[in-house]
Amino acid sequence: GAGVSQSPSNKVTEKGKDVELRCDPISGHTALYWYRQSLGQGLEFLIYFQGNSAPDKSGLPSDRFSAERTGGSVSTLTIQRTQQEDSAVYLCASRPRSGGNQETQYFGPGTRLLVL
Amino acid sequence: KQEVTQIPAALSVPEGENLVLNCSFTDSAIYNLQWFRQDPGKGLTSLLLIQSSQREQTSGRLNASLDKSSGRSTLYIAASQPGDSATYLCAVIGGGSNYKLTFGKGTLLTVNP
Repeated sequence: GAGVSQSPSNKVTEKGKDVELRCDPISGHTALYWYRQSLGQGLEFLIYFQGNSAPDKSGLPSDRFSAERTGGSVSTLTIQRTQQEDSAVYLCASRPRSGGNQETQYFGPGTRLLVL
Repeated sequence: KQEVTQIPAALSVPEGENLVLNCSFTDSAIYNLQWFRQDPGKGLTSLLLIQSSQREQTSGRLNASLDKSSGRSTLYIAASQPGDSATYLCAVIGGGSNYKLTFGKGTLLTVNP
């Protein structure tokens, strides 16, 4: 079946512009995660969705970052007034359900964001 | 706060060699530990998942061990091949109900023909 998809695959923007990154999880997966991978840094958790609600937003680095999920499916990560330090690969992952320690997360290919 | 460390940061070996990648974590209260593979420009592929009650998992030429009390895991790759060249990431899921992953920075493996 189809895996997690993300769009765009690459995005180049100018400092100060807003960007939207999209994630389509695997159909039926209720849990969705956003992570960020910056140069020289490990993968960092940003936000977790269970259905359409986000019980854990603790990884969002500033109030310029927001995310939403609609219909228990597609999620959009929005970065307002982008800064050069926002340049990174943004990865989305989905999981069949929130519980159970036997289940892995399935990752999309990521969106590579470059802020000039 | 959970911290995950991977050693070495990079490793280069000749084809056919057996090798070990190391991972350590600071908080032993984990649900499970996973090893992922990341190829350039691509997402992560899960290789092995070890539940907190398990000691090891095997898949083909890969064997991962977990010593939860000491906060350590190893990934053993037997008879390495050039196709194994990638970045290997270790990640743990700690306490709480959201099952978010905490990652190490990875080991970049190069297997030379």
